Amino acid sequence: GQQVMQIPQYQHVQEGEDFTTYCNSSTTLSNIQWYKQRPGGHPVFLIQLVKSGEVKKQKRLTFQFGEAKKNSSLHITATQTTDVGTYFCAGMDSSYKLIFGSGTRLLVRP
Amino acid sequence: DVKVTQSSRYLVKRTGEKVFLECVQDMDHENMFWYRQDPGLGLRLIYFSYDVKMKEKGDIPEGYSVSREKKERFSLILESASTNQTSMYLCASRQDRDQETQYFGPGTRLLVL
Repeated sequence: GQQVMQIPQYQHVQEGEDFTTYCNSSTTLSNIQWYKQRPGGHPVFLIQLVKSGEVKKQKRLTFQFGEAKKNSSLHITATQTTDVGTYFCAGMDSSYKLIFGSGTRLLVRP
Repeated sequence: DVKVTQSSRYLVKRTGEKVFLECVQDMDHENMFWYRQDPGLGLRLIYFSYDVKMKEKGDIPEGYSVSREKKERFSLILESASTNQTSMYLCASRQDRDQETQYFGPGTRLLVL
């Protein structure tokens, strides 16, 4: 079946360093969404990308959708301790199901 | 604000028991989903429903069934719980079939002994 691979599984950074997580799909996606899950919490929607090559920014977060609509990335500039959590990408397939990546757990050293 | 609630935050059951996990959303969403979350595996779709009395299998439906008798309520049933069903179970709802965010409930952490 369709898969969305996400790397890295973990990232431990010093506060102030940048962070990037990457997603790759085995097939073309209708759109891609990003979610953040704080420790002990549930996934919370961050953003959705629909167009090929789309780039969106939310303060220190930059989201990109690849030209072929098969990959995406989330980049955080100058991480803060409030960024701690697990970041999931989720691609929507042709039957409107969201296929989640395995997540990247971000730890930030103060 | 969309609210998705789940009947229990923590649940402990014994092997072979029948387990019901309830999910209710208050925004009149058409679409509802059940996922399980395990370390290193992300969120895996168990079942989903696009309308009342309608259900479709997700990626890992074995050992589970669902019920959607009312639009706001989507129940996940473990017919005979097994230890490999120990997991975090997340319910979600979404308004449109495409291009719309999913709202998640707080999750139910189920331990099967």
